[in-house]
Amino acid sequence: ETGVTQTPRHLVMGMTNKKSLKCEQHLGHNAMYWYKQSAKKPLELMFVYNFKEQTENNSVPSRFSPECPNSSHLFLHLHTLQPEDSALYLCASSQEGYYGYTFGSGTRLTVV
Amino acid sequence: AQSVTQPDIHITVSEGASLELRCNYSYGATPYLFWYVQSPGQGLQLLLKYFSGDTLVQGIKGFEAEFKRSQSSFNLRKPSVHWSDAAEYFCAVLPSGGSYIPTFGRGTSLIVHP
Repeated sequence: ETGVTQTPRHLVMGMTNKKSLKCEQHLGHNAMYWYKQSAKKPLELMFVYNFKEQTENNSVPSRFSPECPNSSHLFLHLHTLQPEDSALYLCASSQEGYYGYTFGSGTRLTVV
Repeated sequence: AQSVTQPDIHITVSEGASLELRCNYSYGATPYLFWYVQSPGQGLQLLLKYFSGDTLVQGIKGFEAEFKRSQSSFNLRKPSVHWSDAAEYFCAVLPSGGSYIPTFGRGTSLIVHP
């Protein structure tokens, strides 16, 4: 139990599908993050929410749409993805950042 | 701009041997420093962190790291590696004061031979 739970663990979707990734934390953290991890590339920060407010959007294509309804839940809505979007999507949370992040186990996304 | 360098993409060690993974950073002030480990198919797990004070930091799973200001380094060490330590290791740097978003290194893949 890492404290951050991501569902589903694996997802295969067609380019015309719409799906959502879910992240949940009950650590009392005030910030939540979406990262993309592709093979042979560094970890890419996608979105940051601090106290439910989006504070970072790292030039992410609009086919990725985040939602943070409360400080414990974070979603990543996906639509009309491309094969190059196949990756491991990691959710993380933190309290003030300098204590370090707690990561979920990730969702392995394959776009076909 | 701050940066984090992990010079070794892969490191291979024999089980029972000692380990040192390198991390260098470029930043004006002493930042907060972290090491994370990622096992295959899993998320990253925090091994240890340095804020200030004692430059030798103890972490989980028998790991330690030493902060050397003069070398801008924060190397991770373990005296005796176990097969279960095979994983990807990431160094991360967070500027002190302000941002709560760290910069991650590209990672070092540790291979452990029996």
